[in-house]
Parts: sequence; C-alpha cells; structure tokens
Amino acid sequence: DTEVTQTPKHLVMGMTNKKSLKCEQHMGHRAMYWYKQKAKKPPELMFVYSYEKLSINESVPSRFSPECPNSSLLNLHLHALQPEDSALYLCASSQMPGLAGGHEQYFGPGTRLTVT
Amino acid sequence: RKEVEQDPGPFNVPEGATVAFNCTYSNSASQSFFWYRQDCRKEPKLLMSVYSSGNEDGRFTAQLNRASQYISLLIRDSKLSDSATYLCVVLGTLSSGGGADGLTFGKGTHLIIQP
Repeated sequence: DTEVTQTPKHLVMGMTNKKSLKCEQHMGHRAMYWYKQKAKKPPELMFVYSYEKLSINESVPSRFSPECPNSSLLNLHLHALQPEDSALYLCASSQMPGLAGGHEQYFGPGTRLTVT
Repeated sequence: RKEVEQDPGPFNVPEGATVAFNCTYSNSASQSFFWYRQDCRKEPKLLMSVYSSGNEDGRFTAQLNRASQYISLLIRDSKLSDSATYLCVVLGTLSSGGGADGLTFGKGTHLIIQP
C-alpha cells in the first residue's frame, strides 16, 4: 500500500492567519518531503526530512515552518503568508536510500491552498 | 541551463499508436531517474524508475543513456486512459553521503490520446 494522506484537501486563509498542513504515511518510510506546485508548473522541492531530522531546506521563507513529530507524520506550519504562496502543497515519502527501491517517492493528494 | 528539459507538447496521438517522450538532464552526477504521470489537479504518480539497462513494465519502456544524459519513455498500444502529463524526474544530489534527496521535475509533456 503506497498511500500518503494529507489534510485538509483545501484551505483558504488570510494573510494574518496561522494554519497547519498535515501529512501521514504508514509505509515505514524514513524520509518525507514537502513540495510546492503552482498552476501549470512542475512541483518544486521545499524541505526534506531524513529520520525525523530536517536535512534539506531549499531556501524557503521562514513563514513556512516544517515539523516532523515522528516517523509517520509531517506538518507544515503557515504564518503570515502572501497571496503568491497560493499553490498545491504536496507531501511525499520514500524509504531511505541504500535499500532496494529506496529512492522512489510517493505523493499524497496535496492541499490546495488559497491565500486571500 | 534548465536542469531537466522536456518537450511540453501537446502530443495528440490516436488510440493504439506508439508514442515516445524524451528528456535531457544537466547534472552529470545524477544517479536515479523516474517517470511520473500527473492527471489534471491530481498528485504525481510514479510510473516507473529508469535503469541504465532499460526496463519495461507492460506497455511502457524506459531507457537511460548516461553518456548523453538522456532519458526516454515509450508507450505502446496507447489507451485513452494514458492521457495525462508525463514528468521526467531526476533525483537531486544535494544530500551528502547518499541520504534522502529531493526530486527535480521537468515541466512535463502533455499527452492526449484521441479515440
């Protein structure tokens, strides 16, 4: 079962709001990722977590704050966002490299975020 | 120079035809390659990994040419359900020690299978 779940499916927030996006996987994967996808563009990497530790931050503004409470959960905390941050936010997970097929990433359905 | 380049299409192909997509990548240190498909307003779904020796999964065949930094996908006997955007994807090389790394996506090739 290659299922990654994300909540909420849709989110509308004002520029002064604080909200969180949630991602969960129960495949025993030890790497989790956040990507951002704007309309008609490919996904772009934001953060990588390896064994619950942040290993890559692609120079993402501090108004996006990731958190990995345990190996199954990944959160993205949002604060003081701008309208241009409106996008589809995708979570993905993978086994760790070194295992057979460890690099394949499986995506959740995404949270469609609108900032007003 | 763009990291992963693909022809955006659209490719309009009759049902039952064979269609081929190509992609080039710029980072010669890249080690892992994939094809994903993405339907409108859905998440990318892994179609197949791409290995140096080439690999086949049913109607789909992927090839990698490391010397030319070129990846291809062939779809045989195309079905209406194959209509989607096909994303050429390369695993990044930011992580040291071979740890988890992000994916770099091409802009995608839009395929439309016509009845």
